[in-house]
Amino acid sequence: GEDVEQSLFLSVREGDSSVINCTYTDSSSTYLYWYKQEPGAGLQLLTYIFSNMDMKQDQRLTVLLNKKDKHLSLRIADTQTGDSAIYFCAEGDSWGKLQFGAGTQVVVTP
Amino acid sequence: GAVVSQHPSRVICKSGTSVKIECRSLDFQATTMFWYRQFPKQSLMLMATSNEGSKATYEQGVEKDKFLINHASLTLSTLTVTSAHPEDSSFYICSARESLAGEQFFGPGTRLTVL
Repeated sequence: GEDVEQSLFLSVREGDSSVINCTYTDSSSTYLYWYKQEPGAGLQLLTYIFSNMDMKQDQRLTVLLNKKDKHLSLRIADTQTGDSAIYFCAEGDSWGKLQFGAGTQVVVTP
Repeated sequence: GAVVSQHPSRVICKSGTSVKIECRSLDFQATTMFWYRQFPKQSLMLMATSNEGSKATYEQGVEKDKFLINHASLTLSTLTVTSAHPEDSSFYICSARESLAGEQFFGPGTRLTVL
């Protein structure tokens, strides 16, 4: 069946760039998403990319999509302590059903 | 963004009892609500999709008689875990969207512990 995989943990120094990687298997995905989850809070949509795009930039966030390899990445420039959270990638179909990865815990150190 | 609340945030119950979890969209009307289950260090697994006024659509492997979903109004959906057992202990998260193409907004989740 469909599967979304991402690494479980990333440690990054404040001010550096973070790159979180994700692979997926469903080639019929319409959109690919990045969500952020902070302790005690719901998932917050950070950004998304339509499946026929290669790149999307939104302030400090850059999403790269390699559709051939089914690889998605999220780059956070100038990472801040407030960026410490769990980041989920998800693929969505045209009906809006989402398939999530297990989440990457990002820890930002001073 | 829009706000989705869940109640309770945390519940502990005895094995064999039933537990109801509420999901509310506070500032928009949710035509569709989704219920997810999340185990530690694992992804969110979609359990069911509910559209206001109609029966929920359950994902494969999810027992509809065990996890009762009601979406009686455009702002409220409930998930009832019937005859709960320790293996039902998990983090349950709901999301809501206003329209088919709309963004899903997630609730903060409910931690269920069955003793």
